[in-house]
Amino acid sequence: NAGVMQNPRHLVRRRGQEARLRCSPMKGHSHVYWYRQLPEEGLKFMVYLQKENIIDESGMPKERFSAEFPKEGPSILRIQQVVRGDSAAYFCASSPERAAETQYFGPGTRLLVL
Amino acid sequence: SQQGEEDPQALSIQEGENATMNCSYKTSINNLQWYRQNSGRGLVHLILIRSNEREKHSGRLRVTLDTSKKSSSLLITASRAADTASYFCATPGSGGSNYKLTFGKGTLLTVNP
Repeated sequence: NAGVMQNPRHLVRRRGQEARLRCSPMKGHSHVYWYRQLPEEGLKFMVYLQKENIIDESGMPKERFSAEFPKEGPSILRIQQVVRGDSAAYFCASSPERAAETQYFGPGTRLLVL
Repeated sequence: SQQGEEDPQALSIQEGENATMNCSYKTSINNLQWYRQNSGRGLVHLILIRSNEREKHSGRLRVTLDTSKKSSSLLITASRAADTASYFCATPGSGGSNYKLTFGKGTLLTVNP
């Protein structure tokens, strides 16, 4: 049973470009969460999605950031016009149900903005 | 300060010794979780302790929870070099936001062979 998969594992972008981060949840999981980890910091919640629905995006910056989890395919976290401050590790987690106590994390995508 | 703060920030020990990390939090919780993160990798769930539990064991791990002091500790016994990692405590949001995990900055544990 494959775990949570994220790609790419590393992504380098120049300022002003777009970054697209993908997350495939564990098989049977329909709840996806995105977190961001800045250097030397803990993870910070960004957004919670179910298939075709954004449930809670309270942790996501209002501008330039968007997330989706389509009916088919992986969840996508999209960052437009990246800036150096977006450099961080972005982790996706999944769970089989909303109230699940445990979230299963992917390996993360490390974004570096030059 | 934030919900879920670990101390110490860094801990260096010799193989075979025990390592103790602490976590403090601010609000009432239903459970508290500990995760491990190896350098440059994702998080691995270690153990969950519920608010009505005081102590829990899993292999070489022992977790305690003191809800009156809003604190938890993670003890790793007979440490190994492979235990070198950052350790984070995480608490869920309240009410309907229990999916929103809040992490501390972590304790960086180095186990020297």
